[in-house]
Amino acid sequence: QSVLTQPPSASGTPGQRVTISCSGSSSNIGNNYVYWYQQLPGTAPKLLIYRNNQRPSGVPDRFSDSESGTSASLAISGLRSEDEADYYCAAWDDSLSAYVFGTGTKLTVL
Amino acid sequence: EVQLLESGGGLVQPGGSLRLSCAASGFIFSSYAMSWVRQAPGKGLEWVSAISGSGGNTYYADSVKGRFTISRDNSKNTVYLQMNSLRAEDTAVYYCAKDHAPETGTGFDSWGQGTLVTVSS
Repeated sequence: QSVLTQPPSASGTPGQRVTISCSGSSSNIGNNYVYWYQQLPGTAPKLLIYRNNQRPSGVPDRFSDSESGTSASLAISGLRSEDEADYYCAAWDDSLSAYVFGTGTKLTVL
Repeated sequence: EVQLLESGGGLVQPGGSLRLSCAASGFIFSSYAMSWVRQAPGKGLEWVSAISGSGGNTYYADSVKGRFTISRDNSKNTVYLQMNSLRAEDTAVYYCAKDHAPETGTGFDSWGQGTLVTVSS
């Protein structure tokens, strides 16, 4: 089972700002960078955020990340219909010597 | 353009073996760690294994430790996943993923299209 906990679902209307939380521990989020991935239906995941709120080329600045202690949050502002997808947080876990993914959050744009 | 192309998936009986391959192009392969990530039908992402750019360091999820072996051939720009003693719970789409930096666990900035492994009698 995953060591990073996310809410199973989130929703918002177009233009709104939504946040998705990710709760971990001192061995992962508390001591390592957090990464966020977006997975559109039927496709491979895509890296959204890495290493202190950096975004790969092509990812809009509507996506941002914040971290505090052993938790992190992904914020999506100006919500759009194409943001409807599954979102996963991830981090390296020092105790497990393993990369761990969150449980995943399904975002619905109403 | 980075491309990752997995192959080797298929139907295998419980207890059987399978070897997945991931052919990479578009970047200096030996400079980056590589991982395998799987996704069971209708489920979330699960990291399986990682290997450093040189191949000298390997890491495994507890769920596959002792059964799966990751390796790479930098002369062929290919990473492999040898899967032995397969179980029904190993059924998943297996993705090959490239780390963002030379070290492991730095975020996967490129993914393959995935290859389906089905373990069933």
